[in-house]
Amino acid sequence: SQQGEEDPQALSIQEGENATMNCSYKTSINNLQWYRQNSGRGLVHLILIRSNEREKHSGRLRVTLDTSKKSSSLLITASRAADTASYFCATDAGGQNFVFGPGTRLSVLP
Amino acid sequence: KAGVTQTPRYLIKTRGQQVTLSCSPISGHRSVSWYQQTPGQGLQFLFEYFSETQRNKGNFPGRFSGRQFSNSRSEMNVSTLELGDSALYLCASSPRRLQSDTEAFFGQGTRLTVV
Repeated sequence: SQQGEEDPQALSIQEGENATMNCSYKTSINNLQWYRQNSGRGLVHLILIRSNEREKHSGRLRVTLDTSKKSSSLLITASRAADTASYFCATDAGGQNFVFGPGTRLSVLP
Repeated sequence: KAGVTQTPRYLIKTRGQQVTLSCSPISGHRSVSWYQQTPGQGLQFLFEYFSETQRNKGNFPGRFSGRQFSNSRSEMNVSTLELGDSALYLCASSPRRLQSDTEAFFGQGTRLTVV
């Protein structure tokens, strides 16, 4: 079973609005990463957050991590049409290569 | 610096055939990992190669195999293709073993269609 589970599965918002995606995981982690994938293409790394961190920022991205709830959220502020993509969280699972969740499909409408 | 290059980009094969996909990592990267992406199963880890040795393997049948060359380029082979092997195959490279604190750099993928 996948370690990370994103929700919602799909999200549609208007340009300029904020988008929030969540990732929940089952076992303790050391690190969590977020990636973006434009339709049918490769994944691009967005941000890494370590288990001892609670929040990280990168441009319009804000990631939080709550280890007590085993969850992370990715916030994209002031979304643009170019943010339309699928977003995946990746976590480590018992020392194995990091495992990707099923992803959230974000559509930003002009 | 050139990114991760996967060839070919698209491939159509017939059931029962075999296929070889290629991945050239970013210069200096020694780890190459392979993933299969399908709408139903999402992104699933196939295997990781580092310094020409398979270091980790996902839960895939023996029909899926790979290798890595001394220049870190990697190939993935699927034998006796099945319809269910139709997928986007992604490779990712990193300068060191792929761990959860390592950024993975992905190629554009090879879209394999089995008919």
